[in-house]
Amino acid sequence: DADVTQTPRNRITKTGKRIMLECSQTKGHDRMYWYRQDPGLGLRLIYYSFDVKDINKGEISDGYSVSRQAQAKFSLSLESAIPNQTALYFCATSDRRRLQETQYFGPGTRLLVL
Amino acid sequence: AQKITQTQPGMFVQEKEAVTLDCTYDTSDPSYGLFWYKQPSSGEMIFLIYQGSYDQQNATEGRYSLNFQKARKSANLVISASQLGDSAMYFCAMREGSQGGSEKLVFGKGTKLTVNP
Repeated sequence: DADVTQTPRNRITKTGKRIMLECSQTKGHDRMYWYRQDPGLGLRLIYYSFDVKDINKGEISDGYSVSRQAQAKFSLSLESAIPNQTALYFCATSDRRRLQETQYFGPGTRLLVL
Repeated sequence: AQKITQTQPGMFVQEKEAVTLDCTYDTSDPSYGLFWYKQPSSGEMIFLIYQGSYDQQNATEGRYSLNFQKARKSANLVISASQLGDSAMYFCAMREGSQGGSEKLVFGKGTKLTVNP
């Protein structure tokens, strides 16, 4: 089983709809992240959480909110989706005790907002 | 200002040859880490190699090596003996903020590598 899972893997929605992307991890990591990837722009950080009670905005948080329901779960919400939120979304995790290790990425969620 | 710069939007290499993908970075943090990731057309992010700012030697992982030139703030990825399966997007990323406990990754825009048979 994958260590970092994301649901759904693909989603098509309409402008104005609320949508939630979910991330779960079995690695026991304390830190979790949400990124979006747009063609030609690399990955950009939306929100990150260093533990259940610690939520921080990233580079591009406008239009998004998050919830850290448990150490293993970190959800990203688009309250009112708009077409320029069409992107590939990644969840990632890391261990604060092992900074030399990579972040571990989920498989990604492809979101299309019509 | 960009913290990670990858100046090569696209690169081509012949199978079995070596290729260097460029990455320069900008930080004032004395403690940082540099990562390279591969993203095939399927979309997943695959970790390749890591270099810490205090590491004395260049990192190597199989056919991947990192040419770390600290004074020039460059961390180029070298892929030896290219294979067709190396065709993908490659991202350089930097972890900074370790002093303040606010570690996060900053990514470059990527280089698309195409390996020709």
